[in-house]
Amino acid sequence: DIQLTQSPSFLSASVGDRVTITCRASQDISSYLAWYQQKPGKAPKLLIYIASTLQSGVPSRFSGSGSGTEFTLTISSLQPEDFATYYCQQLNSYPLTFGGGTKVEIK
Amino acid sequence: EVQLVESGGGLVQPGGSLRLSCAASGFTFSDHHMDWVRQAPGKGLEWVGRSRKKGNRYTTEYAASVKGRFTISRDDSKNSLYLQMNSLKTEDTAVYYCARDSMRYGFDYWGQGTLVTVSS
Repeated sequence: DIQLTQSPSFLSASVGDRVTITCRASQDISSYLAWYQQKPGKAPKLLIYIASTLQSGVPSRFSGSGSGTEFTLTISSLQPEDFATYYCQQLNSYPLTFGGGTKVEIK
Repeated sequence: EVQLVESGGGLVQPGGSLRLSCAASGFTFSDHHMDWVRQAPGKGLEWVGRSRKKGNRYTTEYAASVKGRFTISRDDSKNSLYLQMNSLKTEDTAVYYCARDSMRYGFDYWGQGTLVTVSS
């Protein structure tokens, strides 16, 4: 199975900060990686797919990059509504797997 | 508007069974693969399994943790996805989400989830 390791697992930041989350895959997954945002008590929301393509309706302050085994999600200027938990997911092979999550909290 | 609404969750004893449903609307259900994802209390997301569309012969995939105990099915005439869960264990306690699967483009729509609690 492909393991996805997210870092950091917890991040404290201020409104306006630039935030970067890393997702490392245990083997090459090409660009088949998605990022999700989840707020407490809510379902996950797709932000980015194929590593760097922004889902329709997602603000442009979110961006993704990477391929192979190393990927990043960047929020260029953190907004109050961005405080949430972020997950990466690989869609390259079964079983589909998620990273452990990165919780972004207000500093 | 795309909507996915799960139902059927509840409290069940270890070893018991439960059937979850996911009612879809706002899109052509038969054109899409569908998945189940679960989240144990305070934990991360875990993929449970996939139901492929008719064009892919309705085949399924499962996580190792549920294979042989859980069965995913669908009824395109009712725009519905199902998860039959047998031989339930305490570690199956989670919120179960259904999600529309755009294959390598990610899961683009999710339901609100239904809570399954396995406890004596």
